[in-house]
Amino acid sequence: DAGVIQSPRHEVTEMGQEVTLRCKPISGHNSLFWYRQTMMRGLELLIYFNNNVPIDDSGMPEDRFSAKMPNASFSTLKIQPSEPRDSAVYFCASTQDSGYMNTGELFFGEGSRLTVL
Amino acid sequence: RKEVEQDPGPFNVPEGATVAFNCTYSNSASQSFFWYRQDCRKEPKLLMSVYSSGNEDGRFTAQLNRASQYISLLIRDSKLSDSATYLCVVKVLRSSASKIIFGSGTRLSIRP
Repeated sequence: DAGVIQSPRHEVTEMGQEVTLRCKPISGHNSLFWYRQTMMRGLELLIYFNNNVPIDDSGMPEDRFSAKMPNASFSTLKIQPSEPRDSAVYFCASTQDSGYMNTGELFFGEGSRLTVL
Repeated sequence: RKEVEQDPGPFNVPEGATVAFNCTYSNSASQSFFWYRQDCRKEPKLLMSVYSSGNEDGRFTAQLNRASQYISLLIRDSKLSDSATYLCVVKVLRSSASKIIFGSGTRLSIRP
């Protein structure tokens, strides 16, 4: 079975450029999460979707960041304009959210390593 | 204050030793708890869930203390392959969907 698929795996861009990261969750999963990981701040939750609807975007750093989930099989995270401090590994993860049940295994993609010069 | 806090380490212990990590969480509405493992330059992966009564999976034992709002992970007879970052994870139930929050991780290095 295919896991969570992210693209690109690596991106190097210059400050001010637009960056679009893509994610395909595992088929049948109803929740999708975008995380950012840096050495200094660890793994930070940026935004998550449930049934394609954004539930909590309080972790999105600022207006330069936006995320969409137009359908159950695709999501994007966009940074415009990008800045050097956005350099990080961006992970997408999905799960089948069963609410009260003690489940919650998140399946992560391999991450998109972004470097903004 | 972070919602989930861990000692970043690193913990550097000899092979065969027993090592334990703690993690504290601040949201009393936290409902489910997990330990994830992350190898260098890889994605996090589920190690084990943490149940109220405590649970064991081979050399790994997880415990939950709801009153004090902390969870722990104990690794017995540590192996070189246990070297990784261990992430404490808390699931907070919301009215619409659950929020899954990661701690910053505890780095473990096992030496021969």
